[in-house]
Amino acid sequence: EAGVAQSPRYKIIEKRQSVAFWCNPISGHATLYWYQQILGQGPKLLIQFQNNGVVDDSQLPKDRFSAERLKGVDSTLKIQPAKLEDSAVYLCASSLSRANEKLFFGSGTQLSVL
Amino acid sequence: GNSVTQMEGPVTLSEEAFLTINCTYTATGYPSLFWYVQYPGEGLQLLLKATKADDKGSNKGFEATYRKETTSFHLEKGSVQVSDSAVYFCALSEGSNYKLTFGKGTLLTVNP
Repeated sequence: EAGVAQSPRYKIIEKRQSVAFWCNPISGHATLYWYQQILGQGPKLLIQFQNNGVVDDSQLPKDRFSAERLKGVDSTLKIQPAKLEDSAVYLCASSLSRANEKLFFGSGTQLSVL
Repeated sequence: GNSVTQMEGPVTLSEEAFLTINCTYTATGYPSLFWYVQYPGEGLQLLLKATKADDKGSNKGFEATYRKETTSFHLEKGSVQVSDSAVYFCALSEGSNYKLTFGKGTLLTVNP
């Protein structure tokens, strides 16, 4: 079974630039998550989708971050404009449903903002 | 709010040593508890879980018991291998969204 695919693997940008990350979840998984993992910390949930609807975006900095999951399959997370403190690994995860507690994670996108 | 506290790392052990990684949690209700593992260059993967008090989760020789009275979920393995070298995350989920809250992670290095 193919896992959660993310791209790019690495990204280096300057502050105030914009960046986008892409995620393709496991086929058939209805729930998709974006997590931010800052060095030395555990992953923090940014946004959770159920199919193409947002379930939880309470910790998403909406003035600069946006995410969409058109057609309920793959998803894009965007940062515009980026700040130095956005340097982190951005993890995408998926699960069969909201009530299924087993998450499958991608390898992540490592973002460095200079 | 919910929170998870893990023992500070890094932890360095010799092969066949006994492993304990401590994890305690704070939650308002009755969460499910998890250990996730991240091997070098890979994504996080679920190692084991427990959904109610006194449940024991186990997988690949690792075990953890859900202790409601001490709000703990310590990870143990009787004899570690070099291949167990990874970062281990304790996590909980609670509420209708089953939102996961993670600890900071503990880096384990096992030397031959």
